[in-house]
Amino acid sequence: GENVEQHPSTLSVQEGDSAVIKCTYSDSASNYFPWYKQELGKRPQLIIDIRSNVGEKKDQRIAVTLNKTAKHFSLHITETQPEDSAVYFCAARGSTLGRLYFGRGTQLTVWP
Amino acid sequence: GAVVSQHPSRVICKSGTSVKIECRSLDFQATTMFWYRQFPKQSLMLMATSNEGSKATYEQGVEKDKFLINHASLTLSTLTVTSAHPEDSSFYICSASPIAGGGNEQFFGPGTRLTVL
Repeated sequence: GENVEQHPSTLSVQEGDSAVIKCTYSDSASNYFPWYKQELGKRPQLIIDIRSNVGEKKDQRIAVTLNKTAKHFSLHITETQPEDSAVYFCAARGSTLGRLYFGRGTQLTVWP
Repeated sequence: GAVVSQHPSRVICKSGTSVKIECRSLDFQATTMFWYRQFPKQSLMLMATSNEGSKATYEQGVEKDKFLINHASLTLSTLTVTSAHPEDSSFYICSASPIAGGGNEQFFGPGTRLTVL
């Protein structure tokens, strides 16, 4: 099955700085890579996703890049704000039943 | 947008009792729904994949007789934790993929906090 690794597990940045979270996956057949933001005690919220036929996608301060050859994808948040503080999960959709394989999560803290 | 609801949001029960959690897609139909369990400061762990009209597919290590899943319609899946014990206390979250979206995006319910005394 698919194996998704996520780094770092914690990330602290100053307000206004950029934050980068990286994930790798093992199954070359995986074709969909979403990123979720989860605040404490709440549901994961989809913030951006990318499909395997695209190398980069951007939505305002958030961008995701995908390198299929190296089997890694990254989340980039620019001009971070304190409200960006949360746990971020990457995921890869494997070839089985459409299920998602999640990384372990990154606790992002943005200091004012 | 696609909305998924869960009920109840929070439940406290005595050890040995059964608890049913409902997951509903409110504005879309979903052939497949997923049930996850999340312990504090950990990632989402997939328990089972729920398919409308057929048996659920359970992940390795998840007891199908303990975690009963019924996907009665294209908008409703239920998870019943039978004979709950304190170690079953966790945050249970469902997700669903709209049929119309080709099954890519998954939208999560708000979760159910289960506490077993």
